[in-house]
Amino acid sequence: GDSVTQMEGPVTLSEEAFLTINCTYTATGYPSLFWYVQYPGEGLQLLLKATKADDKGSNKGFEATYRKETTSFHLEKGSVQVSDSAVYFCALTGSGGGADGLTFGKGTHLIIQP
Amino acid sequence: NAGVMQNPRHLVRRRGQEARLRCSPMKGHSHVYWYRQLPEEGLKFMVYLQKENIIDESGMPKERFSAEFPKEGPSILRIQQVVRGDSAAYFCASSPAGVDGYTFGSGTRLTVV
Repeated sequence: GDSVTQMEGPVTLSEEAFLTINCTYTATGYPSLFWYVQYPGEGLQLLLKATKADDKGSNKGFEATYRKETTSFHLEKGSVQVSDSAVYFCALTGSGGGADGLTFGKGTHLIIQP
Repeated sequence: NAGVMQNPRHLVRRRGQEARLRCSPMKGHSHVYWYRQLPEEGLKFMVYLQKENIIDESGMPKERFSAEFPKEGPSILRIQQVVRGDSAAYFCASSPAGVDGYTFGSGTRLTVV
């Protein structure tokens, strides 16, 4: 079945550091790929998405590129802020498209220190 | 336009009791999804519903769990005879059609004592 693997956390960085959170996936067909962010005590918010190979999703300084050849969708940001501290989830749709639920990775806890 | 509303935010139940979790989708959204998040885990898909229909319940435990989305009113996730292992955060998401329009609620945190 479909699966998503994320780098384990917590990831601790200093403010203004460069961020990479790795995400690789296994899926049949051509899934859409997503990054969600969860702040403490809240639900998940869609951060960015990409629906086909070589697409780049971007939002709030974060970006990720859909790499079919390496089955990856790594999240990057050039200069992190304390307010970026949260749990980040990589996810994909099933090959059934919108009729399926999302398959999530286990999440990566990001801690940004001032 | 209110987002996806889940209530209660926190729910404490003793072993053997029933838990009812409610989810009101965003206005205009007719697709509802329930997910469970266990401690230190990602979200696991449970069930996908449209009005009066269960479309996919492949992630639901076979016993004690049920879900509905009636013609009127919120979607309900019902857990009968709760056990400690049911303690988790339960999230609801809604969309108008397909997953690209997903919006999550803030979740219900169930604690079984």
